[in-house]
Amino acid sequence: DAGITQSPRYKITETGRQVTLMCHQTWSHSYMFWYRQDLGHGLRLIYYSAAADITDKGEVPDGYVVSRSKTENFPLTLESATRSQTSVYFCASSKSGGSYEQYFGPGTRLTVT
Amino acid sequence: GQQLNQSPQSMFIQEGEDVSMNCTSSSIFNTWLWYKQDPGEGPVLLIALYKAGELTSNGRLTAQFGITRKDSFLNISASIPSDVGIYFCAGPHTGANSKLTFGKGITLSVRP
Repeated sequence: DAGITQSPRYKITETGRQVTLMCHQTWSHSYMFWYRQDLGHGLRLIYYSAAADITDKGEVPDGYVVSRSKTENFPLTLESATRSQTSVYFCASSKSGGSYEQYFGPGTRLTVT
Repeated sequence: GQQLNQSPQSMFIQEGEDVSMNCTSSSIFNTWLWYKQDPGEGPVLLIALYKAGELTSNGRLTAQFGITRKDSFLNISASIPSDVGIYFCAGPHTGANSKLTFGKGITLSVRP
């Protein structure tokens, strides 16, 4: 049972480049989430999705784009990476609405130079 | 907006000691979740609480849902080195949609 996986685990990119972080879950959970984690800020929600083709902004969506064409995948794209987007990114999933238990992936550490 | 308060930011204990941490809010929560994050990994759900006054255990961990519904407590008994990590509390965000509000976390260090 793979659960929830993220790729790549580590990424270094240059300012201005587009980069996509992948998230895949095998539980058929309806909800998926993207967070970033920075020292002093804790976990901040970037985008979330209630189902395939339904996405919505979280607390810090600027500079990010998401899509969800299939239930199991929820990629996060940085359209033009900036140094302020250097962070650790976590994907999470949960069952249908009413269940607040979220299950996290291992994270992607992104460095923008 | 909703905020969950965890303090202190860091705790240092001796192996074998018990430790207690709490999470408070000015808003009422109907669910409390406790997560642990090991260094370099994603947060892992430890305990979920759904009812005011509920006391739930998971091995050496015990968590309680406060009667006022504005706080929750996590106790770790007989700490061991692998208890090191960041402990987060979380609760449902206003407006549902399964979003969570997270506390800033408490970093626990265990001296052997």
